[in-house]
Amino acid sequence: DIQMTQSPSSLSASVGDRVTITCQASQDISNSLNWYQQKPGKAPKLLIYDAFNLEAGVPSRFRGSGSGTDFTFTVHSLQPDDFATYYCQQYDSLPLSFGGGTKVEIK
Amino acid sequence: QVQLQESGPGLVKPSQTLSLTCTVSGASVSSGRYYWSWIRQTAGKGLEWVGHIYTSGSTDYNSSLKSRVTISLDTSDSQFSLQLTSVTAADTAIYFCARFRGRYVGDYWGQGIRVTVSS
Repeated sequence: DIQMTQSPSSLSASVGDRVTITCQASQDISNSLNWYQQKPGKAPKLLIYDAFNLEAGVPSRFRGSGSGTDFTFTVHSLQPDDFATYYCQQYDSLPLSFGGGTKVEIK
Repeated sequence: QVQLQESGPGLVKPSQTLSLTCTVSGASVSSGRYYWSWIRQTAGKGLEWVGHIYTSGSTDYNSSLKSRVTISLDTSDSQFSLQLTSVTAADTAIYFCARFRGRYVGDYWGQGIRVTVSS
């Protein structure tokens, strides 16, 4: 099974900051990676698929990059609505697996 | 607009069977190229993929649960179900149903249902 290691587990940031989260796969997954946003009591929401493609309707301040084992998720100019927990998910092989999450809190 | 909604008991006794249904609106579970999926979330293990069923009816399950889990499409064309047998406290979680498109991209999710395993 592929393990996904996400870091940091939490961070504090201010509105307008650039925030970067990393996700590392335990083996090469090419670009088979999605990023989700989850708010308390809500379902995960798809933001990025295939490592760097922006889901329809998602603001362009969200960016994804990377391939192989190392991936980066960036929020450019953090907005109040962006305070949430973010997860990566690999789909190179079953079982699908998720990173442990990064909680983005207000500084 | 596709919407999914989980339903079922919020409390299940140990050793019994957990049964949940996902009702889908705006799409048919038996057409298109989609995987109708169950994912659960706990504070300890985070998000865990339980398994899915393709529109053709073929299934894949997480090997950690494989012997206990069954996912099926309902004849209504708008529902699919999860059954998890011999539950323990470790199966206490929020259970989400979701649609995964293409190569497993989760584009629509239900709001989740909290299930507690306790006597």
